[in-house]
Formats: sequence, structure tokens, C-alpha cells
Amino acid sequence: DTEVTQTPKHLVMGMTNKKSLKCEQHMGHRAMYWYKQKAKKPPELMFVYSYEKLSINESVPSRFSPECPNSSLLNLHLHALQPEDSALYLCASSQQNSGTGGNQPQHFGDGTRLSIL
Amino acid sequence: QKEVEQNSGPLSVPEGAIASLNCTYSDRGSQSFFWYRQYSGKSPELIMFIYSNGDKEDGRFTAQLNKASQYVSLLIRDSQPSDSATYLCAVNTGNQFYFGTGTSLTVIP
Repeated sequence: DTEVTQTPKHLVMGMTNKKSLKCEQHMGHRAMYWYKQKAKKPPELMFVYSYEKLSINESVPSRFSPECPNSSLLNLHLHALQPEDSALYLCASSQQNSGTGGNQPQHFGDGTRLSIL
Repeated sequence: QKEVEQNSGPLSVPEGAIASLNCTYSDRGSQSFFWYRQYSGKSPELIMFIYSNGDKEDGRFTAQLNKASQYVSLLIRDSQPSDSATYLCAVNTGNQFYFGTGTSLTVIP
């Protein structure tokens, strides 16, 4: 069991559907992340939230829309996805150090395996 | 040049041997360094992290950091078949985490 909880574990959706991925952590971490991972590839950073504000958007298509309602929750809203968006979507969180800017380790959830039909 | 580079392997070692995994990074301002283990179909699991030059040991795992050479390594002593996985090196600067492509390790019983 991980301390970062992602739901759902699996999601199959059509290209016209709208769905959301959810992530929750109760470790008091103030940085939260969305990653996309394809098979046999490393995780690719999509978004970073720092203190509930979007701080990094790695040129992700607008069909992916992140939301951070509070310090414990992170959502990823999906709309009009393409088959190539099928992947494992990972949420992570970390405690941010102050001053030096370096971060404590990221803790990953189990991921949501997304399949686009 | 990639931010973080790892030898993709596969690396095969016999059970009980030492596995040595290596990683280089390009940004001299990088501050934090992490090793994750990822089993097929699972999420990355933190193994070790290191911030200062030198060695850091935790059980069978030792992380080594050399900032002058921009090099970080992971040694696994007494390798077990359960250590067979992909090992990801991650480097952090500010809010950015850069992952290497991972090294696939197989421990042969």
C-alpha cells in the first residue's frame, strides 16, 4: 500500500468521453505531480503543483486539464483523448525544502492505467 | 544532451553478487538525487536518496554521489532474484525532477 492514493486503478474510455483521474495524499506534502509513463519508458513529467498553484506545465495538450482543489487532492481532467494517450498515469507528492529549493523524495501512487478506444 | 543518462542494460548478475548501477547528469545545479525501483506494471518505489558527496548506506543498498564528476551510482550487495526490476535514477533541481531511462537488472538464481 502506498501513501499516495490514485483512483481509478484502471480506466477505459472512448475518444469523446470526459473523465477525471484523482490523487490524494495525507502526508502534508506541498508539491504534487502528474506523470505519464509508456511501456518501457521513464515517467514523463506533465504538471507540477506547488502550494496548490500550478508551477510547471510541460507543454501538455489542452485535452489534459489539472486541478488542485486543496493541499491533499490533485485531479487530472481528461477530454477528447487520443489513442496515443493510453499509458500509466502516475501521481506523486513531495515535501518541499525551503531556502535551497531542493526537494525531498517523491512518493508515487500506484497509478491509473488508461486505455483510449 | 539528455538531463540524466543511464545504461539501459540489461544488466545480469548472479544471486549473491554485487550489482552496480550508474547514472550521470548534466545540470551542475542539481541538488537531490534519487534511485527508484520499478517492477513491470507497477509504480516507481523509492530505494535511496542522497544529497551530499560521498556514500550513503541503507541495508544492502549504497548510493554514491560525486558532484564534481556529475555522477551518482547505486550498489546492491548480496543481490536477490527479487531485486530484478528496472532501476530509475532521478535528479532534482528546484521543482523539476528528471528521470533517466532506467537500467533493467536481472538477478540470476
